Amino acid sequence: GAVVSQHPSWVICKSGTSVKIECRSLDFQATTMFWYRQFPKQSLMLMATSNEGSKATYEQGVEKDKFLINHASLTLSTLTVTSAHPEDSSFYICSASAGGYEQYFGPGTRLTVT
Amino acid sequence: QKEVEQNSGPLSVPEGAIASLNCTYSDRGSQSFFWYRQYSGKSPELIMSIYSNGDKEDGRFTAQLNKASQYVSLLIRDSQPSDSATYLCAVKPGGGADGLTFGKGTHLIIQP
Repeated sequence: GAVVSQHPSWVICKSGTSVKIECRSLDFQATTMFWYRQFPKQSLMLMATSNEGSKATYEQGVEKDKFLINHASLTLSTLTVTSAHPEDSSFYICSASAGGYEQYFGPGTRLTVT
Repeated sequence: QKEVEQNSGPLSVPEGAIASLNCTYSDRGSQSFFWYRQYSGKSPELIMSIYSNGDKEDGRFTAQLNKASQYVSLLIRDSQPSDSATYLCAVKPGGGADGLTFGKGTHLIIQP
């Protein structure tokens, strides 16, 4: 149980374009979903927290107009990187919580912006 | 600013020995503590969670928490080469709505 999927697993896009990443909880309802970013040889950094039907809460330093998060249902959250630039290239990982203490991580999406 | 500190390593341990990983955190109000294992290029995998002072054992893994010292540790007994990975310590202030603050991780190498 507690399986989280992400799609796509990797994506290459050109600078200036937008990319959408989906995060789904497959066997439980996720009241809260989280988006993290991990640069090479760095740890995971929390970008934003989203609750179903509410606006996402962004961490300090994360541009909400650049990283659009939509938590449309209790099983789906999307992250759209708008006007992507090479410095946005990173490993994006979502996690989901059913309201308890533990978070279940998706397999991650590797974004490369050329 | 909330911080989680770990020795980046690499920590090299012979196969069959005990690997000891340590973590300190700055937010005294933190309530939940986690150890994740991350293989290169993969997302983190939950190994242990601990919420109260003392030890918690699960198979070959033991997590230890000392809130007064703001210290969390993970012991891996009978280390196997497959345990070679980066181990991330993560801390959460409270309930399910809070995101995790991660340390930078300790790179563990188990030598056959």
